[in-house]
Amino acid sequence: GAGVSQTPSNKVTEKGKYVELRCDPISGHTALYWYRQSLGQGPEFLIYFQGTGAADDSGLPNDRFFAVRPEGSVSTLKIQRTERGDSAVYLCASSYQGSTDTQYFGPGTRLTVL
Amino acid sequence: KNQVEQSPQSLIILEGKNCTLQCNYTVSPFSNLRWYKQDTGRGPVSLTIMTFSENTKSNGRYTATLDADTKQSSLHITASQLSDSASYICVVSSYNTDKLIFGTGTRLQVFP
Repeated sequence: GAGVSQTPSNKVTEKGKYVELRCDPISGHTALYWYRQSLGQGPEFLIYFQGTGAADDSGLPNDRFFAVRPEGSVSTLKIQRTERGDSAVYLCASSYQGSTDTQYFGPGTRLTVL
Repeated sequence: KNQVEQSPQSLIILEGKNCTLQCNYTVSPFSNLRWYKQDTGRGPVSLTIMTFSENTKSNGRYTATLDADTKQSSLHITASQLSDSASYICVVSSYNTDKLIFGTGTRLQVFP
């Protein structure tokens, strides 16, 4: 079966613009995670969904970041009024039920804010 | 503060040689520890996962060890191949949270 997919693979935008990043998890996985990874660093937790609800959004850096998962499968990470510091690779992962299960990562979306 | 530290930051070895990567953590209460391999431009891929009661686990040429008393783990790579060139990330989770705590990784380069 297909793994976790993310679109777009690359996104270049201008400072102040709005962007949406999409994640398609593995079918049947109830847990979905968003991470942000800067060059040379490990992934940094942003938000965790269990089904349709955000179980933990404590990693979102500020209120410009928001994520949804309306039907418990596909998730969208939304960033308003982008800043140059938002440039990073945004990784999505899914697991069967929760954090004790293996997380399968997508290839990431590389966001560049000019 | 829950932290995961890895060493060395980077490592260069010749093809066919063995190497060992280290991970120290302060996460408490401990749930499990994973090693991930991340190729450049790709998402991390799980290599091993160990719970408190496990002290070693192998996946092909990769062998991970865990000492939950000293809060240390190692990843040993045997007979390295060029395809082993990647970042290796140690990840720890706690029973208190569903968040994973990532180390900054060890960048391994295998040269012919």
